[in-house]
Amino acid sequence: NAGVTQTPKFRVLKTGQSMTLLCAQDMNHEYMYWYRQDPGMGLRLIHYSVGEGTTAKGEVPDGYNVSRLKKQNFLLGLESAAPSQTSVYFCASSYDGMGGYTFGSGTRLTVV
Amino acid sequence: GENVEQHPSTLSVQEGDSAVIKCTYSDSASNYFPWYKQELGKRPQLIIDIRSNVGEKKDQRIAVTLNKTAKHFSLHITETQPEDSAVYFCAAAGSARQLTFGSGTQLTVLP
Repeated sequence: NAGVTQTPKFRVLKTGQSMTLLCAQDMNHEYMYWYRQDPGMGLRLIHYSVGEGTTAKGEVPDGYNVSRLKKQNFLLGLESAAPSQTSVYFCASSYDGMGGYTFGSGTRLTVV
Repeated sequence: GENVEQHPSTLSVQEGDSAVIKCTYSDSASNYFPWYKQELGKRPQLIIDIRSNVGEKKDQRIAVTLNKTAKHFSLHITETQPEDSAVYFCAAAGSARQLTFGSGTQLTVLP
């Protein structure tokens, strides 16, 4: 039982490049989330999904897009990376959004 | 939306002493309050949680208290050990079905 798997674990991008972060869960959870964590700060919600085919904006959505084409996968895209997007990105899932959150191991992204 | 404030941002205690971290939340509809421990370079790990129908919950050396009227909840760690040193985050979730996190507390347990 893998839980929540994030790929890649590390990535360095040049300003203006694009990339996609993949989150996969095998727990049949309806709710999935993308957070970013910056030094000295808590996790801030970027986008989330309440089920297959749905997405919604969180607290800091600008510069990111997401897709949930399959229930088990939640993709986070950066169309034109900026240095301000240097951060650690965590994916999480929950059965109903009211508890039982499971976090992935994180993706450390550096934009130079 | 929900706003969670956490204090203190740093906390140093002597080994064996107790540590208390406090959080306040703004949305009276929030009803799930977890606490996470995060070690350097690792993912947040759930250490204890409480729901709004309970005032206190304890798990060995860790306890959480909730005051719904005042909209605050606290983490209590007794008999602290060096391995308790980490960053601790509180969070809240409710009708929006998403976790809002506090800004974290760096706990250092001095030997």
